[in-house]
Amino acid sequence: EAGVAQSPRYKIIEKRQSVAFWCNPISGHATLYWYQQILGQGPKLLIQFQNNGVVDDSQLPKDRFSAERLKGVDSTLKIQPAKLEDSAVYLCASSLDLKAEQYFGPGTRLTVT
Amino acid sequence: GESVGLHLPTLSVQEGDNSIINCAYSNSASDYFIWYKQESGKGPQFIIDIRSNMDKRQGQRVTVLLNKTVKHLSLQIAATQPGDSAVYFCAEKGGYQKVTFGTGTKLQVIP
Repeated sequence: EAGVAQSPRYKIIEKRQSVAFWCNPISGHATLYWYQQILGQGPKLLIQFQNNGVVDDSQLPKDRFSAERLKGVDSTLKIQPAKLEDSAVYLCASSLDLKAEQYFGPGTRLTVT
Repeated sequence: GESVGLHLPTLSVQEGDNSIINCAYSNSASDYFIWYKQESGKGPQFIIDIRSNMDKRQGQRVTVLLNKTVKHLSLQIAATQPGDSAVYFCAEKGGYQKVTFGTGTKLQVIP
């Protein structure tokens, strides 16, 4: 079974630029998550989708971050404009449903200069 | 606010010895806890979980202990191997099944 796919794996941008990350969850998984992991810290949930609806986006900085999962499968996370403090690994995870085990992708490492 | 934290940032153990990684949590309403392993360049990987109505749960070479009285969680790894070297996170599952991670403990296995 293929795991959670993410792209790109690495991205370097200058502050105030825009960036987008893509996630393809495990086939059949209804729930999709985006996490931000700053170096030396545990992942922090940014947004959680159930199919194409948002379950929790309470920790998403909505003035600059946006995410969508239009068809209930793939998802994109966008940052516009980026700040230095956005430098982190962005992890995507998926699960069969809200209560099931989460499977994580390899992440996208973002460096903002 | 709610928090899940770890006592030690780095733990070094000799290959073959047992490892114990500790975690404290502050939300007494938490009813489900998970241990994850994260290797360099990879996402976290589920190891084992435990519900609050249990004190102990065993897996293959791993055991999780839960002490609700002092809000303490531990992960025991038997006969630690070089492949066990990673960062270990305890996490708590709360409302909307949201997972809240602690800051992690790095386990270094000395050959």
